[in-house]
Amino acid sequence: GAVVSQHPSWVICKSGTSVKIECRSLDFQATTMFWYRQFPKQSLMLMATSNEGSKATYEQGVEKDKFLINHASLTLSTLTVTSAHPEDSSFYICSARGRTDTEAFFGQGTRLTVV
Amino acid sequence: GQNIDQPTEMTATEGAIVQINCTYQTSGFNGLFWYQQHAGEAPTFLSYNVLDGLEEKGRFSSFLSRSKGYSYLLLKELQMKDSASYLCAAMDSNYQLIWGAGTKLIIKP
Repeated sequence: GAVVSQHPSWVICKSGTSVKIECRSLDFQATTMFWYRQFPKQSLMLMATSNEGSKATYEQGVEKDKFLINHASLTLSTLTVTSAHPEDSSFYICSARGRTDTEAFFGQGTRLTVV
Repeated sequence: GQNIDQPTEMTATEGAIVQINCTYQTSGFNGLFWYQQHAGEAPTFLSYNVLDGLEEKGRFSSFLSRSKGYSYLLLKELQMKDSASYLCAAMDSNYQLIWGAGTKLIIKP
């Protein structure tokens, strides 16, 4: 299957700082990228969807000024958690889908801990 | 509204068979996915059904009934490494995935 690389795998940052998470599709063009967060023992929660060439669409309750998403190219999307707080600590996962695909391929996930 | 239901937790014995059920209600339907997720890892794709019937892939099979809004994942010859959460997700008319909360499967020796 297609490969999606997410970096970093884990990060610890101080409260008030910003953290950038990268998601790359290595062998296909990702026309749509999805960003999820997952709290322990809970399901994936979709944060936002970004389509090639357009701004990200955020789910209700997700602050777009806090979680900045940039779908810079057909192979790269970034999620920046700005002014992070301990309650932002979570597992963040990206997934990417090609133009003709129904399946979305997942990155490895990033465990963010804000101290 | 859109909704996915699956059991929270199931327990089975190594070598046995287990069936994990999932019911869904979505605005339109473009297929049903099953993913496996080990603790602390991202989900990995198991199966995709869009037509009624059973799809078999080795020890794992997935079934879909569109008229009933129902799917199941069947795991045979259970191994300890199958201990994981199994996520059911339905794709709606906008091609967005609606996720279930996941079923935690515990395998006992």
